[in-house]
Amino acid sequence: GAVVSQHPSWVICKSGTSVKIECRSLDFQATTMFWYRQFPKQSLMLMATSNEGSKATYEQGVEKDKFLINHASLTLSTLTVTSAHPEDSSFYICSAETGHDNEQFFGPGTRLTVL
Amino acid sequence: RKEVEQDPGPFNVPEGATVAFNCTYSNSASQSFFWYRQDCRKEPKLLMSVYSSGNEDGRFTAQLNRASQYISLLIRDSKLSDSATYLCVVASGGGADGLTFGKGTHLIIQP
Repeated sequence: GAVVSQHPSWVICKSGTSVKIECRSLDFQATTMFWYRQFPKQSLMLMATSNEGSKATYEQGVEKDKFLINHASLTLSTLTVTSAHPEDSSFYICSAETGHDNEQFFGPGTRLTVL
Repeated sequence: RKEVEQDPGPFNVPEGATVAFNCTYSNSASQSFFWYRQDCRKEPKLLMSVYSSGNEDGRFTAQLNRASQYISLLIRDSKLSDSATYLCVVASGGGADGLTFGKGTHLIIQP
């Protein structure tokens, strides 16, 4: 149980384009999902909390107009990196909370490379 | 001051040995604590939650000291497959809160 999928697993795009990443909870419903980013040799940093049916909550320093989050259903949240630039190249990981003791399970991550 | 601090290592440990990691957190209001394991270029995987009473899962034992604000992880009879980065993770609230990660401790088990 508690399986989270993410798609795509990797993407290479040109600077200025937009990239959409999907995060799905496969065997449970998640009213709350989270998006994290991890730069090489760094720890994961929370970007935003995605709430089903309402606006996402962004962490300080994360541009909400650049990182668009949509959580349209209890099993799907999407992150769109708009007008991507090379400095956005990173490992983006989503997680979903099962509702048990704040435990979160992570998707396999999406490695984004912006040329 | 960093919110969650860990010794980055690497810890080079012979197979079969016992190894322990500590982690300190700064937010005294933190309510939930976890150890995650992350393999190179992979997503973190939950290893175990850490409870006030301490908990054990096979070769792994986790302890929480709220007064001193630190968490520990003990691995007994270490295996080569235990080589990974171990992330100390804290959640501050009782509701749906994002997690705060330490930078991780890199463990290398040597044959």
